[in-house]
Amino acid sequence: DIQMTQSPSSLSASVGDRVTITCQASQDISNYLNWYQQKPGKAPKLLIYDASNLETGVPSRFSGSGSGTDFTFTISSLQPEDIATYYCQQYDNLVTFGQGTRLEIK
Amino acid sequence: QLQLQESGPGLVKPSETLSLTCTVSGGSISSSSYYWGWIRQPPGKGLEWIGSIYYSGSTYYNPSLKSRVTISVDTSKNQFSLKLSSVTAADTAVYYCARQVGDMVRGPTLGDYWGQGTLVTVSS
Repeated sequence: DIQMTQSPSSLSASVGDRVTITCQASQDISNYLNWYQQKPGKAPKLLIYDASNLETGVPSRFSGSGSGTDFTFTISSLQPEDIATYYCQQYDNLVTFGQGTRLEIK
Repeated sequence: QLQLQESGPGLVKPSETLSLTCTVSGGSISSSSYYWGWIRQPPGKGLEWIGSIYYSGSTYYNPSLKSRVTISVDTSKNQFSLKLSSVTAADTAVYYCARQVGDMVRGPTLGDYWGQGTLVTVSS
């Protein structure tokens, strides 16, 4: 099984800050990595697919990079509506989610 | 606009079988470009993929749940279903159904449309 390790597990930042979340796979998954945003009481929303591709309609302040085992998700300028939990998800071998990163406003 | 809606009992007794159905509207479940999946989230915890099914009936399951899970599809009703047997309190969760881009070669990849989720509590 492929394990996905996200860090940090929680993060507090100010509006306008640059925010970075990392996700590490237990083995090489190429670029088979997606990022989701989940707000309380809501279903997850796809933001980034194939490690670095922005889903249609998602603001350009969100971005992703990486390949192999190490991946990064970035919000270039944090907005109040970005408060949520973010998950990475691999699909190289079946489907596995990271444990999530809870993002709060400082 | 594609919509997915989960339905089923909100309360299941320990040792019994949890059964949920996802009804797809605004699109066909028989598309060759998608898998249809189940994902769950225990209260206050993260997401766990349960399994996915192709319209032809081909399935992928989470190895940790495989012995207890059956996912089936009914193309005539545009629905797919989840059965999870021998449930315990640890199976208490919000259960989501989702459309997952994929094909018979690649398998399920990303979830682009999700249902709103349904809370299933396992308790006597």
